[in-house]
Amino acid sequence: AQRVTQPEKLLSVFKGAPVELKCNYSYSGSPELFWYVQYSRQRLQLLLRHISRESIKGFTADLNKGETSFHLKKPFAQEEDSAMYYCALSGLGSGNTGKLIFGQGTTLQVKP
Amino acid sequence: DSGVTQTPKHLITATGQRVTLRCSPRSGDLSVYWYQQSLDQGLQFLIQYYNGEERAKGNILERFSAQQFPDLHSELNLSSLELGDSALYFCASSVRDGSNTGELFFGEGSRLTVL
Repeated sequence: AQRVTQPEKLLSVFKGAPVELKCNYSYSGSPELFWYVQYSRQRLQLLLRHISRESIKGFTADLNKGETSFHLKKPFAQEEDSAMYYCALSGLGSGNTGKLIFGQGTTLQVKP
Repeated sequence: DSGVTQTPKHLITATGQRVTLRCSPRSGDLSVYWYQQSLDQGLQFLIQYYNGEERAKGNILERFSAQQFPDLHSELNLSSLELGDSALYFCASSVRDGSNTGELFFGEGSRLTVL
């Protein structure tokens, strides 16, 4: 079964502290993993995807197939990073429909 | 605005009633996805359409149905509403048919309250 687990509902850190938002997944095939973000009063939007291996707004995420994890990290949190973060999974390869399976989300609160 | 648009933004109705939520995808996008977000449930995938045809189905209740029209807009119909159907319903679109994964673009959501 496809499943995405984000164990923390809320993560609260001080500005300048490192951040790690945890994501674990369960998928029988080859997954593609994403992080989506929803800032206050804005739409849910893509933050980054593991295939592109980009760093967006200082965030990075590495796919660890052995641990089936895709944790989101940032070395120094900023107040503007406060938002709801969703980890999501899709399947790779022909036959995949493109739908995303989302975790329950983690609210990141960065305090001044 | 050429992004995903959803109407209505807010809807309050009574148990047992039927409502229709509407979604217009981004210009050029052929796939439409519906998600339900309720308290403590995260984003639950309901159903996907591609170019008018059903493409994938998630945990969508039998009381719920959807369709995608020739102009590519989509409607989600919720009937015999229950209190537990109160949620934020999101529509998303993508350009691809899903044979390759692509970014999903989300609307602002329709908040349904069932009293």
